[in-house]
Amino acid sequence: GNSVTQMEGPVTLSEEAFLTINCTYTATGYPSLFWYVQYPGEGLQLLLKATKADDKGSNKGFEATYRKETTSFHLEKGSVQVSDSAVYFCALLTTDSWGKLQFGAGTQVVVTP
Amino acid sequence: EPEVTQTPSHQVTQMGQEVILRCVPISNHLYFYWYRQILGQKVEFLVSFYNNEISEKSEIFDDQFSVERPDGSNFTLKIRSTKLEDSAMYFCASSGGTGSQYFGPGTRLTVL
Repeated sequence: GNSVTQMEGPVTLSEEAFLTINCTYTATGYPSLFWYVQYPGEGLQLLLKATKADDKGSNKGFEATYRKETTSFHLEKGSVQVSDSAVYFCALLTTDSWGKLQFGAGTQVVVTP
Repeated sequence: EPEVTQTPSHQVTQMGQEVILRCVPISNHLYFYWYRQILGQKVEFLVSFYNNEISEKSEIFDDQFSVERPDGSNFTLKIRSTKLEDSAMYFCASSGGTGSQYFGPGTRLTVL
């Protein structure tokens, strides 16, 4: 079946450090891939997406590249801020579903001043 | 910027009672979804809804659950007879058909 695996957290970083959150997936066909962010006490916000191999999604300084050869969609940011502290979720959407997003377990990121 | 809204933000109920969770999707969206997140666990898909019908549902979405779009703006999730294990955060989402889903802030359901 389809699944998403994310690196476990919490990931603790200092401000201005480089952030990488690993995400790998298992899916049939060519899924679309997403990163969502959940700030404390809030809902899920779409951060970025990629719909085909080698696409790069980007938003708010975050980037992720859809790598079909390694079935990965790692999230990166060059210089994090305290305000980036949140839980980050990787998710996939397969073409044979009616919008069923499948989520990874989430990775908590804590950025300290 | 348009957003999905959900009410109430927190619902406390007794086991066996019926609850209705309400959502107002983004106005020009046509695809609607419910997900839930039990504390400390993954976000899980419950159901998708399009053209006044359920398009897909998960094994969690049994006969105790139902969804409805009673008018042009609301989308509801009803749980007929709540169980302790239904305690979770319930998220509504909507999509305009691009694949991107936009989530509401969630309703925390506590079943006592």
